Amino acid sequence: DQQVKQNSPSLSVQEGRISILNCDYTNSMFDYFLWYKKYPAEGPTFLISISSIKDKNEDGRFTVFLNKSAKHLSLHIVPSQPGDSAVYFCAAARSQGNLIFGKGTKLSVKP
Amino acid sequence: DTEVTQTPKHLVMGMTNKKSLKCEQHMGHRAMYWYKQKAKKPPELMFVYSYEKLSINESVPSRFSPECPNSSLLNLHLHALQPEDSALYLCASSQVIGTSGLLSTDTQYFGPGTRLTVL
Repeated sequence: DQQVKQNSPSLSVQEGRISILNCDYTNSMFDYFLWYKKYPAEGPTFLISISSIKDKNEDGRFTVFLNKSAKHLSLHIVPSQPGDSAVYFCAAARSQGNLIFGKGTKLSVKP
Repeated sequence: DTEVTQTPKHLVMGMTNKKSLKCEQHMGHRAMYWYKQKAKKPPELMFVYSYEKLSINESVPSRFSPECPNSSLLNLHLHALQPEDSALYLCASSQVIGTSGLLSTDTQYFGPGTRLTVL
């Protein structure tokens, strides 16, 4: 049973517009959430995280929103750039530190 | 500096070979991880080391043998692998925070991975 779900395998966005990537989770014990960006044949690169005590965290063009009651988080990228094209993984962790990854969403930003 | 390095970048081995994957970080992180990632799948945790001691083994077959010789290095020894073990092997590290004996870790930083092909 998937504990972290990214239901959109792909997303295409025009350059300059907003990209919104979504993630749902089922385990209410998760207390830390992360987004990673991954290019082919490379390791995941950490983008941004959020603790369960917050509902928003912002870092430059990237903002993560957490809705605990809905067990949902989203990553907003504004404005989107062609270099943002990659696979984005949502991950969740409990205090034990075991990251559970979603299946990823492939973002394509078109010039 | 958030760099985790892994060697080799690519590895091709036969089913009777013995090889090792290496991972190194100099961020002072005391938790290190091995993940396996198959194509179009998310990374799957294999092992976690905390303070150089194995704390999590996710029921990985014994043909994979991890080793943490010191706080900066993590090895994965491979022996008698199967073709289905071909994958991208990722190393990660993080700080260990908190107390109470539980492994409570900070953000994990990943290396570039080793692309393993088993013939």
